[in-house]
Amino acid sequence: AQKVTQAQTEISVVEKEDVTLDCVYETRDTTYYLFWYKQPPSGELVFLIRRNSFDEQNEISGRYSWNFQKSTSSFNFTITASQVVDSAVYFCALTTDSWGKLQFGAGTQVVVTP
Amino acid sequence: EAGVTQFPSHSVIEKGQTVTLRCDPISGHDNLYWYRRVMGKEIKFLLHFVKESKQDESGMPNNRFLAERTGGTYSTLKVQPAELEDSGVYFCASSQVGEKLFFGSGTQLSVL
Repeated sequence: AQKVTQAQTEISVVEKEDVTLDCVYETRDTTYYLFWYKQPPSGELVFLIRRNSFDEQNEISGRYSWNFQKSTSSFNFTITASQVVDSAVYFCALTTDSWGKLQFGAGTQVVVTP
Repeated sequence: EAGVTQFPSHSVIEKGQTVTLRCDPISGHDNLYWYRRVMGKEIKFLLHFVKESKQDESGMPNNRFLAERTGGTYSTLKVQPAELEDSGVYFCASSQVGEKLFFGSGTQLSVL
């Protein structure tokens, strides 16, 4: 069985602070893909990143960075110098069979105040 | 380019009534998915269309749910009769083969 756990329900920070969102996953498959999606107040889920299980290299995209550690089954997401526009719900997801049949975590609400 | 469009954005119905949700995918996207988020929990997969064919409907909760995708274009998800536990946000997503999903803004369904 597959499972994605996002233990943090809500994180509140003041603008310019860094925030790290935790994601822990479970799967018996050796080939799998991990994702992060952002859900802004407008409602749609916006794709942020996809990482396959054979690529443990960390990735940075602007103020966003991701730390993938197979040893701890974690795929954490950090927003550096947060901004009000980062306020959203962030979902971590896992799939083993395609791009589309995703197993999502419960999501973490990030609130950034000025 | 238009994104994935879902309507209605909100629907409030009484238990026992029927509701039909609609999803218009991005033009040219053969893959269409339905997902649901209930009561702030995980977003869960419902089913997957490839063009007009149901590729995987393993996530459909029960036979009160019926999804169709006529002609491989838009899709509908009908709930009949609706129950209280069907309340939640229903998301539609579409993609080209082997590409990332584009999600709609969802339909908030409230069953009273």
